[in-house]
Amino acid sequence: EAGVAQSPRYKIIEKRQSVAFWCNPISGHATLYWYQQILGQGPKLLIQFQNNGVVDDSQLPKDRFSAERLKGVDSTLKIQPAKLEDSAVYLCASSRTRSGGYNEQFFGPGTRLTVL
Amino acid sequence: GNSVTQMEGPVTLSEEAFLTINCTYTATGYPSLFWYVQYPGEGLQLLLKATKADDKGSNKGFEATYRKETTSFHLEKGSVQVSDSAVYFCALKRGAQKLVFGQGTRLTINP
Repeated sequence: EAGVAQSPRYKIIEKRQSVAFWCNPISGHATLYWYQQILGQGPKLLIQFQNNGVVDDSQLPKDRFSAERLKGVDSTLKIQPAKLEDSAVYLCASSRTRSGGYNEQFFGPGTRLTVL
Repeated sequence: GNSVTQMEGPVTLSEEAFLTINCTYTATGYPSLFWYVQYPGEGLQLLLKATKADDKGSNKGFEATYRKETTSFHLEKGSVQVSDSAVYFCALKRGAQKLVFGQGTRLTINP
């Protein structure tokens, strides 16, 4: 079974530029998550999708961050315009369902963003 | 709100040493507790979990016991190997709420 795929693996941009990350979850996984992992900190959930609907985006800075999950499969996360403090690793994860019990989240390798 | 605190890193040990990485949590109710591991260049992987008090999670020689009285979930391994070098994250989840991670502990094992 193929894992969660993310691209690009690395991205360097100037502040105020825009950037987009792509995620392809494990086939059949209904739930998709985007996390931000700042150096020296644990991952922080930005947004959670169930199929193509948003379940939780309470920690997404909506003035500059946006995400979509077309057709309930692939997802893109966009930052526009980027700030220096957006430098982080952006992790995508997927799981089978959003039921109350725990369903293991499988993580992709992440995209390391550097904003200069 | 829910939170997780891990021991400060980095931690450096010699091969075959005993490992403990401390983790304590703050949460209402009865969360599930997890340890994730992140090897260099890879995504996070679930290492072990425990869903109720006194449960012991174990995997790959690692163990952690859910201690409600001390709100702790310390990770232990009796004899570490160079291949255990990674960043370890303690995390909790309560019901349908989001996963909450600690800040991570970088472990380096020297031959």
